[in-house]
Amino acid sequence: EVQLLESGGGLVQPGGSLRLSCVASGFTFSSYAMNWVRQAPGKGLEWVSAISGRGGNTFYADSVKGRFTISRDSSENTLYLQMNSLRADDTAVYYCAKERGGYDDCWGQGTLVTVSS
Amino acid sequence: DIQMTQSPSTLSASVGDRVTITCRASQSISNWLAWYQQKAGKAPKLLIYKASSLESGVPSRFSGSGSGTEFTLTISSLQPDDFATYYCQHYNSYPYTFGQGTKLEIK
Repeated sequence: EVQLLESGGGLVQPGGSLRLSCVASGFTFSSYAMNWVRQAPGKGLEWVSAISGRGGNTFYADSVKGRFTISRDSSENTLYLQMNSLRADDTAVYYCAKERGGYDDCWGQGTLVTVSS
Repeated sequence: DIQMTQSPSTLSASVGDRVTITCRASQSISNWLAWYQQKAGKAPKLLIYKASSLESGVPSRFSGSGSGTEFTLTISSLQPDDFATYYCQHYNSYPYTFGQGTKLEIK
């Protein structure tokens, strides 16, 4: 069974940093691209970032480019999202998702990031 | 960037109704479109990929159609479990943008 388990969310002050993790199981992690998608409270889904299976290619939404870094460790079956220079509008539930041919066929339960002083 | 526009934003319907949600892309995306269902407090769930392919385990009352810039998600006979929010997403090129969502409510 495919499982994705995010962690690392919490309360952080504006301008601060946070690193999210997503531990994957039940599939060959290095064979699949992975995505981060976020959802601000009461709002819709926003694609944030993607990384190819081997990690050589990364992509970002304009809203996070230059502040967030996606990475992966295949030895640990773990996806990361390093978030720097956090702003209030980064407050959201962050989901990791396994990509299959471009679309996301499995999602984690999400981790809440709150940016507030 | 490709913009995705869903309509309506809210839809009120009854059990047994046939409903259709529309998603329009700002430029052609061929058939690189997925539909997701999200219930309150839960992660999204994949329903349809490649515009019209039904994900394994998804009831056959869900169907998708369209290509180019206009797409639809149809639920042939609404069940109580279907009241949720639905999102389209293109995966033609990065960034993979979502529609703003359609909330399906009980009439």
